[in-house]
Amino acid sequence: GENVEQHPSTLSVQEGDSAVIKCTYSDSASNYFPWYKQELGKGPQLIIDIRSNVGEKKDQRIAVTLNKTAKHFSLHITETQPEDSAVYFCAASSRNAGGTSYGKLTFGQGTILTVHP
Amino acid sequence: GAVVSQHPSWVICKSGTSVKIECRSLDFQATTMFWYRQFPKQSLMLMATSNEGSKATYEQGVEKDKFLINHASLTLSTLTVTSAHPEDSSFYICSARRTAGNTIYFGEGSWLTVV
Repeated sequence: GENVEQHPSTLSVQEGDSAVIKCTYSDSASNYFPWYKQELGKGPQLIIDIRSNVGEKKDQRIAVTLNKTAKHFSLHITETQPEDSAVYFCAASSRNAGGTSYGKLTFGQGTILTVHP
Repeated sequence: GAVVSQHPSWVICKSGTSVKIECRSLDFQATTMFWYRQFPKQSLMLMATSNEGSKATYEQGVEKDKFLINHASLTLSTLTVTSAHPEDSSFYICSARRTAGNTIYFGEGSWLTVV
């Protein structure tokens, strides 16, 4: 089955700096890679996702890059703000046998991001 | 945006009783929903995959008779923790895969405390 490794486990930055979180996956069949932000006591919130036919995707201060050859993908947050402090999870999924939908997500271990004012 | 609602957001029950948690996709249809359990400072652990109109698929080590899952409609899945024990106390989270587009959205989670 799929195995997703996420690094670092904790990340501390100053407000305004950039933050990068990296994930690797093992199953070459995986082709959907979402990122979730989880605040204390709440469910994960989808912040950005990327599919295998794209190498990079950007949404304002957030960007995700994907290297299918190396089987790794990264989350980039620029101009960080204290409100960005949370736990971030990467995940990977692959299409079902019929190719009609994505299967279950395999999550990374999570990264605790702290942005200091 | 797509919204997944979980209810209740927190519940306290006595040992030996059963408790039901609902997961609803409010503005989209979800043929597949997933149930997770999360312990403090840990990642999400998939318990089961719930498919509308069919039996749930449980992950290895998850007791089917203890964690009953029902997915009777395209917008609702329920998780019932039967004969709850204190070790069942946890944060339970559901997610729903939007049929159109395949994106997966999470609910806000439900805190279960068994006393």
